[in-house]
Amino acid sequence: GENVEQHPSTLSVQEGDSAVIKCTYSDSASNYFPWYKQELGKRPQLIIDIRSNVGEKKDQRIAVTLNKTAKHFSLHITETQPEDSAVYFCAASITGGYNKLIFGAGTRLAVHP
Amino acid sequence: ETGVTQTPRHLVMGMTNKKSLKCEQHLGHNAMYWYKQSAKKPLELMFVYNFKEQTENNSVPSRFSPECPNSSHLFLHLHTLQPEDSALYLCASSQAQGREQFFGPGTRLTVL
Repeated sequence: GENVEQHPSTLSVQEGDSAVIKCTYSDSASNYFPWYKQELGKRPQLIIDIRSNVGEKKDQRIAVTLNKTAKHFSLHITETQPEDSAVYFCAASITGGYNKLIFGAGTRLAVHP
Repeated sequence: ETGVTQTPRHLVMGMTNKKSLKCEQHLGHNAMYWYKQSAKKPLELMFVYNFKEQTENNSVPSRFSPECPNSSHLFLHLHTLQPEDSALYLCASSQAQGREQFFGPGTRLTVL
């Protein structure tokens, strides 16, 4: 089955710097890759996702890149702000059928003013 | 509250108690999920229901018993739990399996 590995487990940056979180997946058939943000005491919320027919997607300060050949995808946050501090989870799945999202272990991002 | 709701938000129970967690989604989704989130194993999938049918039981102990009476409601019945079962229990739903999931606020469970 699918396995998703996420690095680093913790990340500390200064406000204004960029942050990059990387994930690798094992099943080459996976075609959907969402990223979730979970603030302290709150529910995980989808912040951006990418499908396998696209190599990069951007939404304001957040971007995700996908390398299908290498089976890895990354989250990039530019101009980080203290409110970006949270735990970020990557996930991978094959859409359709009885497939399910497989989550990475999470990255705790701390943005220091 | 719209989207995915969960009750109760906090629950403290003894090891001999029986309690139930409730999840309701107002999104017209067909798949619903139970996750356990603890410090040791973040986002641990427990059960998946698709069109009310259970399609995944991720080797969960029988002291956790799910119930899905319809596509909008999901329950997790708890009995004779252990202290290590203390965690945040998250419910989620999606239009179909493998698609983006929407999470509820979770139930913070403490087993004494």
